[in-house]
Amino acid sequence: AAGVIQSPRHLIKEKRETATLKCYPIPRHDTVYWYQQGPGQDPQFLISFYEKMQSDKGSIPDRFSAQQFSDYHSELNMSSLELGDSALYFCASSDPGNPYEQYFGPGTRLTVT
Amino acid sequence: AQKVTQAQTEISVVEKEDVTLDCVYETRDTTYYLFWYKQPPSGELVFLIRRNSFDEQNEISGRYSWNFQKSTSSFNFTITASQVVDSAVYFCALSLVLFGNEKLTFGTGTRLTIIP
Repeated sequence: AAGVIQSPRHLIKEKRETATLKCYPIPRHDTVYWYQQGPGQDPQFLISFYEKMQSDKGSIPDRFSAQQFSDYHSELNMSSLELGDSALYFCASSDPGNPYEQYFGPGTRLTVT
Repeated sequence: AQKVTQAQTEISVVEKEDVTLDCVYETRDTTYYLFWYKQPPSGELVFLIRRNSFDEQNEISGRYSWNFQKSTSSFNFTITASQVVDSAVYFCALSLVLFGNEKLTFGTGTRLTIIP
């Protein structure tokens, strides 16, 4: 069965650079969630999209922006990167018939040096 | 706001022992879902179980069992006859049954180490 795809899987950036993380949900899933997991911490909700509209927002820094495109894939754009942005970024998707079951991607590990 | 507490930061047990991971949650909502996820050293989040707030029936799946007690706001997870492959960080999580607000609120996780 198809799973959530995230790219890249690993990314190394320097401070003040920009990064773009991509998420491809499971086919026919219309909702995408982004979570950030710092080292040794629990995943924290950043933002979610339903049918290409932002549906909920968590503790996402103003330096970050995200959107969901017409094909339902989503991108998380991160600018002016800081050392503290180093984390594992998860994307999850859910389908309209079962919005309370989120399927997680493998994550993108971002390292800011 | 919702809150999930996993008081046990780290647990180590010898292989074949039983181990229980505790989870206590807080929410003012009456309808919600509770989850357990496993995060092995490779980093992915592996879904283990989902339970809705109206279903307090305990569940057993192989060596895993879950005890949901609404009266004490707890959703504990027991591994019977632990194995080395069970070594991972385990997260308890909660989401509301509210359209547009299905985000997961995670506990801080319990790192479980099974000693061979």
